[in-house]
Amino acid sequence: NAGVTQTPKFQVLKTGQSMTLQCAQDMNHNSMYWYRQDPGMGLRLIYYSASEGTTDKGEVPNGYNVSRLNKREFSLRLESAAPSQTSVYFCASREGQFYGYTFGSGTRLTVV
Amino acid sequence: AQSVTQLGSHVSVSEGALVLLRCNYSSSVPPYLFWYVQYPNQGLQLLLKYTSAATLVKGINGFEAEFKKSETSFHLTKPSAHMSDAAEYFCAVSAQGGSYIPTFGRGTSLIVHP
Repeated sequence: NAGVTQTPKFQVLKTGQSMTLQCAQDMNHNSMYWYRQDPGMGLRLIYYSASEGTTDKGEVPNGYNVSRLNKREFSLRLESAAPSQTSVYFCASREGQFYGYTFGSGTRLTVV
Repeated sequence: AQSVTQLGSHVSVSEGALVLLRCNYSSSVPPYLFWYVQYPNQGLQLLLKYTSAATLVKGINGFEAEFKKSETSFHLTKPSAHMSDAAEYFCAVSAQGGSYIPTFGRGTSLIVHP
């Protein structure tokens, strides 16, 4: 099983550029999530999709947009990248609210 | 509201020694609790979870955690540390008030000395 697949693994952007982080899961999970991880800050939720067709803001949504393309795919878009968005981004999915997450391997993004 | 505090950003142990990573939570309703491990340059992996069944939960790689309601704690332990246990460990809490979306602690880095 591939689990949760994220692309790309690394990316360097210039301030003001846009990009989309891709995430796909093959476990038939209903819920998908985007987190960012910064040193000493733990994981902070950006956006989530509880089910296909729905998306909701998390703790730190400013500067991001998401699209739940279908049940498998959940993308995160940075419209105008800023240095404060330099981080490691993780996509996760889970079977239901009583289950733990399955995480992807992350995208390391640097904005210069 | 729910929150989680991990005491100690770094914990250092010798190989073969007891591992104890501390996690205290705050929740106004019965919580669900999780421990995750993150190895360098990888995503997080679920170690174990508590979802209101047995208070002593056993996970992968010989780790276990005990839910203590009176102390609002969910500490992670392993009797004997191995070099391969060196990683970052995250505690997380979820509950009905937060739509069951986990809140993560800031993590504890476990260092294992030979």
